[in-house]
Amino acid sequence: DAGVIQSPRHEVTEMGQEVTLRCKPISGHNSLFWYRQTMMRGLELLIYFNNNVPIDDSGMPEDRFSAKMPNASFSTLKIQPSEPRDSAVYFCASSLWGSGNTIYFGEGSWLTVV
Amino acid sequence: GNSVTQMEGPVTLSEEAFLTINCTYTATGYPSLFWYVQYPGEGLQLLLKATKADDKGSNKGFEATYRKETTSFHLEKGSVQVSDSAVYFCAPPNGSGNTGKLIFGQGTTLQVKP
Repeated sequence: DAGVIQSPRHEVTEMGQEVTLRCKPISGHNSLFWYRQTMMRGLELLIYFNNNVPIDDSGMPEDRFSAKMPNASFSTLKIQPSEPRDSAVYFCASSLWGSGNTIYFGEGSWLTVV
Repeated sequence: GNSVTQMEGPVTLSEEAFLTINCTYTATGYPSLFWYVQYPGEGLQLLLKATKADDKGSNKGFEATYRKETTSFHLEKGSVQVSDSAVYFCAPPNGSGNTGKLIFGQGTTLQVKP
């Protein structure tokens, strides 16, 4: 079975450019999470969706970040404009809604903003 | 809110040594608890979980027992291998309710030398 699929795996972009990260969750999962991982801050939850609806976006760092989930099989995380401090690994993860259910992670999108 | 405290790394062991990574948490009630592992260049993946108090989760020779009296979920392995070198995350739920969100701490880096 396919796991969580993310693209691009690696991206290098210049400061000020728009970055769009994409995610396809595991089929049948109804919760989707976007995390950011850095050495300094560890793994941070940015936003999560249930049944395509954003439930909690309190982790989104600022207005430059936005996330959408237009349907059950696709989500995007957009940064506009990008800044060097946005350099990190961004993980998408999915699960079945509910406590005790395993969260499955994608391989991550490694973003470098220069 | 809920929180997790994990022993700091890096932990450096020789092959076949005994491993313990301590984890304590605060949470409402008796939620499911998880250990995730992240190998270099990859996303997090579930290592094991325990869904209720006094349960023992196990996988790949790793074990952790859900101890409600000490609110701990320490990870152990009797004989580590070089291939176990990775970052390990203890993950209790993030908040109360049934959302399935998890808290991930800074993680503990394990280095196993041949």
